[in-house]
Amino acid sequence: GESVGLHLPTLSVQEGDNSIINCAYSNSASDYFIWYKQESGKGPQFIIDIRSNMDKRQGQRVTVLLNKTVKHLSLQIAATQPGDSAVYFCAENLSSNYKLTFGKGTLLTVNP
Amino acid sequence: GAVVSQHPSRVICKSGTSVKIECRSLDFQATTMFWYRQFPKKSLMLMATSNEGSKATYEQGVEKDKFLINHASLTLSTLTVTSAHPEDSSFYICSAKWGGRGDTQYFGPGTRLTVL
Repeated sequence: GESVGLHLPTLSVQEGDNSIINCAYSNSASDYFIWYKQESGKGPQFIIDIRSNMDKRQGQRVTVLLNKTVKHLSLQIAATQPGDSAVYFCAENLSSNYKLTFGKGTLLTVNP
Repeated sequence: GAVVSQHPSRVICKSGTSVKIECRSLDFQATTMFWYRQFPKKSLMLMATSNEGSKATYEQGVEKDKFLINHASLTLSTLTVTSAHPEDSSFYICSAKWGGRGDTQYFGPGTRLTVL
């Protein structure tokens, strides 16, 4: 079964607000985590990643936080825009086996 | 950089026929390619891992004789769905990993297969 899950299947925000998408993982041995964005009918698009030796990583308008104590991962999107509307997946990986395990996904809807 | 393409993007076929889907890494050499299947409103399910020049490793429950994978070069992997049936209709997505970029997998745009 899946070892990565999400707290919220859907999230609706107003344009300009900040969004937070959460993810729980169960494999404490996972050492690499990635967030992907998937628009309807398209393949997943890499957003940001983080290794287990870090607890925070920032990109352009996005921040990923990793809490290994409670095995929790979050994606923060600043100033959310309509173009951010998509399904967001977290994925975990064990560097030793290359496989990604995906979470269920959260549908983010940005209201103008 | 790190662009992955798939062809075709959509295919409709009759039951019993075979369909080949190509996955190409356009600007990097992919040491490993992966094939996923995705049902509507569901997550991605890994089907198999493909290394150039060697046999693919299939996940539990995936029939290797049904889903033939060939990784002929560092830039091309193919998935052939043999004797397709309506239950094989799905969204098939490949990804490619470049060792020089660590563990990140870059995904193709997907192929929508509809079996009539």
